[in-house]
Amino acid sequence: GENVEQHPSTLSVQEGDSAVIKCTYSDSASNYFPWYKQELGKRPQLIIDIRSNVGEKKDQRIAVTLNKTAKHFSLHITETQPEDSAVYFCAARGYGQNFVFGPGTRLSVLP
Amino acid sequence: SAVISQKPSRDICQRGTSLTIQCQVDSQVTMMFWYRQQPGQSLTLIATANQGSEATYESGFVIDKFPISRPNLTFSTLTVSNMSPEDSSIYLCSVEGLGTSKDYEQYFGPGTRLTVT
Repeated sequence: GENVEQHPSTLSVQEGDSAVIKCTYSDSASNYFPWYKQELGKRPQLIIDIRSNVGEKKDQRIAVTLNKTAKHFSLHITETQPEDSAVYFCAARGYGQNFVFGPGTRLSVLP
Repeated sequence: SAVISQKPSRDICQRGTSLTIQCQVDSQVTMMFWYRQQPGQSLTLIATANQGSEATYESGFVIDKFPISRPNLTFSTLTVSNMSPEDSSIYLCSVEGLGTSKDYEQYFGPGTRLTVT
């Protein structure tokens, strides 16, 4: 079955710097890759997603890139702000399959 | 946007008892799922709640321990049976096919924080 790895497990950046979180997946049939943000005590929130027919997607300060050949995708956050501090989860899913989530990255944005 | 609610939001239960968690959506959805999130951990799928038929369980989860109902397209329940301290966790429902959302997009309820003593 699908296996999703995520790095780093923790990440600290200065406010205004960029943050990059990378995930790798094992099943080449996976075709949908969402990213969720979970603030302390809150539900996971879908922040951006990408499908396998697209290499990059951007939404304001966040972007996701996908390399199907290497089977990895990354979340990029630019101009980080303290409110970006949270745990971020990536996930992968193939057609007719369920989501498999990565272990999460705890991002701290230091003022 | 649609609202996904869960009841109770939290509970403290004695070992050996059972707790039923409800998930309600204010519009019809295609798919409903139940996840477990242990403290400081990622999300693990327990089962897919199928409307009008038995739930589909993931490896490591069984119907006797986690019976699930889904009587219609807006409501589902998860029961945690014969609880032990190892069942202490956050239980989240998620939905897919919500309104105008695209295929595959899943949205989560607020979660139920369960503590078993």
